Amino acid sequence: KQEVTQIPAALSVPEGENLVLNCSFTDSAIYNLQWFRQDPGKGLTSLLLIQSSQREQTSGRLNASLDKSSGRSTLYIAASQPGDSATYLCAVKLGSARQLTFGSGTQLTVLP
Amino acid sequence: GAGVSQSPRYKVAKRGQDVALRCDPISGHVSLFWYQQALGQGPEFLTYFQNEAQLDKSGLPSDRFFAERPEGSVSTLKIQRTQQEDSAVYLCASSLVAGTTYEQYFGPGTRLTVT
Repeated sequence: KQEVTQIPAALSVPEGENLVLNCSFTDSAIYNLQWFRQDPGKGLTSLLLIQSSQREQTSGRLNASLDKSSGRSTLYIAASQPGDSATYLCAVKLGSARQLTFGSGTQLTVLP
Repeated sequence: GAGVSQSPRYKVAKRGQDVALRCDPISGHVSLFWYQQALGQGPEFLTYFQNEAQLDKSGLPSDRFFAERPEGSVSTLKIQRTQQEDSAVYLCASSLVAGTTYEQYFGPGTRLTVT
């Protein structure tokens, strides 16, 4: 059974810092990996999707990397802003399944 | 264009009541998923539809949970005889089918509180 772990569970940084969120998964037979953002009381907003054949994806200040063989992905946020405060979730889709398996998320607080 | 919508956004039910949660997927999206998110946790898969066919219901926690998508568009998740442990946010997602990235788009969720 695929398990997804996110470390740390919570992170607080001052505005302007660069930061890295970590995601690890146990089954490397993934089809793709998605990073989501969730604001309190809201649904999930997709940030980046990395196919299994890709090593990284970038969108603005966000960069996500994928190392399938080691079962790891990182989300790099450059020059953090208070508006980045949210919970960040990673989710993997196995090649053999349609659904996503999620980690428990990292709750990020960026202090002004 | 319009995203995934869900209603109601909030539902309070007394223990033992039946509830029905609605999901309107993105137009043209063939696949539809339901997830359950407990407080402080990531979403967990409940069930999956391709068009009107329910292809996977392995995540439904008990036979009190039932989902349908009769015309291959709108879906309803029904919970009978609600229990306190059913309190959670119920998320719906939709995606295109094979030949795409399978990227899933989520609705805002329905927060169910069972008292």
